[in-house]
Amino acid sequence: DAGITQSPRHKVTETGTPVTLRCHQTENHRYMYWYRQDPGHGLRLIHYSYGVKDTDKGEVSDGYSVSRSKTEDFLLTLESATSSQTSVYFCAISGTSGNTIYFGEGSWLTVV
Amino acid sequence: QQQVKQSPQSLIVQKGGISIINCAYENTAFDYFPWYQQFPGKGPALLIAIRPDVSEKKEGRFTISFNKSAKQFSLHIMDSQPGDSATYFCAASGYSNYQLIWGAGTKLIIKP
Repeated sequence: DAGITQSPRHKVTETGTPVTLRCHQTENHRYMYWYRQDPGHGLRLIHYSYGVKDTDKGEVSDGYSVSRSKTEDFLLTLESATSSQTSVYFCAISGTSGNTIYFGEGSWLTVV
Repeated sequence: QQQVKQSPQSLIVQKGGISIINCAYENTAFDYFPWYQQFPGKGPALLIAIRPDVSEKKEGRFTISFNKSAKQFSLHIMDSQPGDSATYFCAASGYSNYQLIWGAGTKLIIKP
């Protein structure tokens, strides 16, 4: 395992409520990513970080925000959850050399 | 230009047979082509990767074939086993990790 912990692993929430997913890594890797995975869409990048307080948008960033105050933690926030944000969310990390990305085990989010 | 097209969407192979999954890309600047394997309830994990300076890379029963002129690459699984049943994703990237572009995935089922 790549030393990535996602929490919570499963969550059911109501439309309109804020939700925060946490990713914690023990590898001291520079890059961290949040992806969502939906049937028929594969993996889509939401946001990524290339250092503490350095973040940028991915291809599906609308409705999501992120923060990285420490190297080891990367938070994904849904400000006001919608049913279209029901998905599996994966955190991933990579180092400064090479392109290998290591994924966490996922967080299953259901918005009702 | 940024798409990676993966086929087939699903594949059923008899135990001992050869599984073949294909991907095509458009951006000639891509220089890294990994394949990831994902089991149900888990995050994707790197299986094998290739760079365009070689036409084939083999690791055990898994082989990537790369055709630069056709802008295609494929994953071959020899002597397929029930334990290989998983979803496989191809991807491609240029010079930086966060530009990893994913195929939509192939669900592979190996029948005993």
